[in-house]
Amino acid sequence: NAGVTQTPKFRILKIGQSMTLQCTQDMNHNYMYWYRQDPGMGLKLIYYSVGAGITDKGEVPNGYNVSRSTTEDFPLRLELAAPSQTSVYFCASSAPGSIQETQYFGPGTRLLVL
Amino acid sequence: AQTVTQSQPEMSVQEAETVTLSCTYDTSESNYYLFWYKQPPSRQMILVIRQEAYKQQNATENRFSVNFQKAAKSFSLKISDSQLGDTAMYFCAFLYTGTASKLTFGTGTRLQVTL
Repeated sequence: NAGVTQTPKFRILKIGQSMTLQCTQDMNHNYMYWYRQDPGMGLKLIYYSVGAGITDKGEVPNGYNVSRSTTEDFPLRLELAAPSQTSVYFCASSAPGSIQETQYFGPGTRLLVL
Repeated sequence: AQTVTQSQPEMSVQEAETVTLSCTYDTSESNYYLFWYKQPPSRQMILVIRQEAYKQQNATENRFSVNFQKAAKSFSLKISDSQLGDTAMYFCAFLYTGTASKLTFGTGTRLQVTL
């Protein structure tokens, strides 16, 4: 049971490039989330999904896109990377309605846009 | 919309001492969850403790306990017998299940445990 895994761990992008951050969970959780964490700040929600085929915007969705074709995977797509997207990105998952209502986080992807 | 405020950007405590981290939140909801997450230098987000708002009893997990004051909308974390491994950023977070179980985070408190 690996929990939530993210790839890559670190990436440098040039301005205007695109990339996909991968996230996979093996806990059969319906809910999945993408957060970004800017230096010295808390986490802010980018997008979330309540199940395969269902996604919705969070607090800071501009410049990002997501898809959820399976329960396990929730990739985050960056189009036309900008320096403002330099951040650490965390994927998380949870089982809604469970007693714990706890989100489990991946190890994060550090992205640098130059 | 919910907000979470952590008013202590940095704190320091000596090893074996006790420290309390503060957190306040604002919500009009009555059923929700509160969490403390620890983020060590590795950046991994680690759940420390959770509290269900409908429970009056304060949650405890070994050396970690909370003081949950629902009326005051306060949720502080007490760390007893502090250890060097407790050095980390600590984030308070609020979750209302009616909003797809989305977490709202505070800005964090950096805790340094010294010898």
